[in-house]
Amino acid sequence: AQKITQTQPGMFVQEKEAVTLDCTYDTSDPSYGLFWYKQPSSGEMIFLIYQGSYDQQNATEGRYSLNFQKARKSANLVISASQLGDSAMYFCAMREGQMVGSQGNLIFGKGTKLSVKP
Amino acid sequence: EAQVTQNPRYLITVTGKKLTVTCSQNMNHEYMSWYRQDPGLGLRQIYYSMNVEVTDKGDVPEGYKVSRKEKRNFPLILESPSPNQTSLYFCASSWTAYTEAFFGQGTRLTVV
Repeated sequence: AQKITQTQPGMFVQEKEAVTLDCTYDTSDPSYGLFWYKQPSSGEMIFLIYQGSYDQQNATEGRYSLNFQKARKSANLVISASQLGDSAMYFCAMREGQMVGSQGNLIFGKGTKLSVKP
Repeated sequence: EAQVTQNPRYLITVTGKKLTVTCSQNMNHEYMSWYRQDPGLGLRQIYYSMNVEVTDKGDVPEGYKVSRKEKRNFPLILESPSPNQTSLYFCASSWTAYTEAFFGQGTRLTVV
């Protein structure tokens, strides 16, 4: 079974509008971290935002926020006021805690390609 | 500036010719790892290191070697590259195995 599921292979959003990228995860470990990364066409992998499993509040970083719904095992990324430079692949990822002996492996979803239209 | 630096960014080589991709981080991170990214397969961990002189295999270690003699450096070595190692490679570092990882710029390797 996939541990990270991103169901939207591609999405379009109008410039200046908000967009939500979906991510669901699966783990039996009570301690884990959830991450979002951006990969532009140039190829680099850029860290955007982090949510810990014990964090009470949703994480925010500038125009990025993470809608964390623990019971539903979802960690959706919300980008507010989209810009043309937001066009890229977005990956949701998870690091499990010590209980499952993950050794720190970042488990990635397959990604969502976001295109921002002017 | 805090960063992870990989070199080279692009490399075309021939089968069997040993190569090394260097990785250096200036954030004093304990944990470092290597990933490869392939279409349809996503990102997969090759090797990781919890600290100096401590390395271990990830999900796809065959054909690769690593070393961690210093905290800041974590080179990836391909002793005898083959065409199936053509890929986009990323080095990443983080404070621990559970915190956010910062990635290098990536190395596009082609083995012919």
